[in-house]
Amino acid sequence: DAKTTQPNSMESNEEEPVHLPCNHSTISGTDYIHWYRQLPSQGPEYVIHGLTSNVNNRMASLAIAEDRKSSTLILHRATLRDAAVYYCILRGQAGTALIFGKGTTLSVSS
Amino acid sequence: KAGVTQTPRYLIKTRGQQVTLSCSPISGHRSVSWYQQTPGQGLQFLFEYFSETQRNKGNFPGRFSGRQFSNSRSEMNVSTLELGDSALYLCASSAGRPSTDTQYFGPGTRLTVL
Repeated sequence: DAKTTQPNSMESNEEEPVHLPCNHSTISGTDYIHWYRQLPSQGPEYVIHGLTSNVNNRMASLAIAEDRKSSTLILHRATLRDAAVYYCILRGQAGTALIFGKGTTLSVSS
Repeated sequence: KAGVTQTPRYLIKTRGQQVTLSCSPISGHRSVSWYQQTPGQGLQFLFEYFSETQRNKGNFPGRFSGRQFSNSRSEMNVSTLELGDSALYLCASSAGRPSTDTQYFGPGTRLTVL
């Protein structure tokens, strides 16, 4: 699976939007972009995934660059509960394993 | 639907012993994956079982093994424990479709090796 690059940490204030970037310059045409997050003392949880088009769900939005070499996870209004480590993961057709990087630690202040 | 359950939640063992961890997936899920999480190495993929067969394997020594039963429940075994095996062991269940399926994680088993 191709690698991703994320900032180590980001900070946000409550109620403000948060844009979490991810670079994946070696992405292949069949790789899906997945985002998971891990809240303190919990297992990771799925956030969103996409292939080429921007995606929205109740948790977040995923904006994918036209060349697919980068993407951005958007939390529209951060809450204290969104403080977590966010992982951007590429998944190809070869298997189901999630290959986690270091992720971005998001801190949210009130 | 009930979520992924893992037992035990906490475990303390000594070097040289072996340990077996258990994971019950979400009903209807046929894939169970195991991950190890340590402060130094982060989250690392151990292996995946699908319909009782190991389908994928990460880069871990043969001391780490697993199996899956016909009801999709899975066990993971670590033999000859080393201090470095102290970690949070997470299992995740999914339908098993590559690329797109969502993996649902359990709360993990915290293993401490003394």
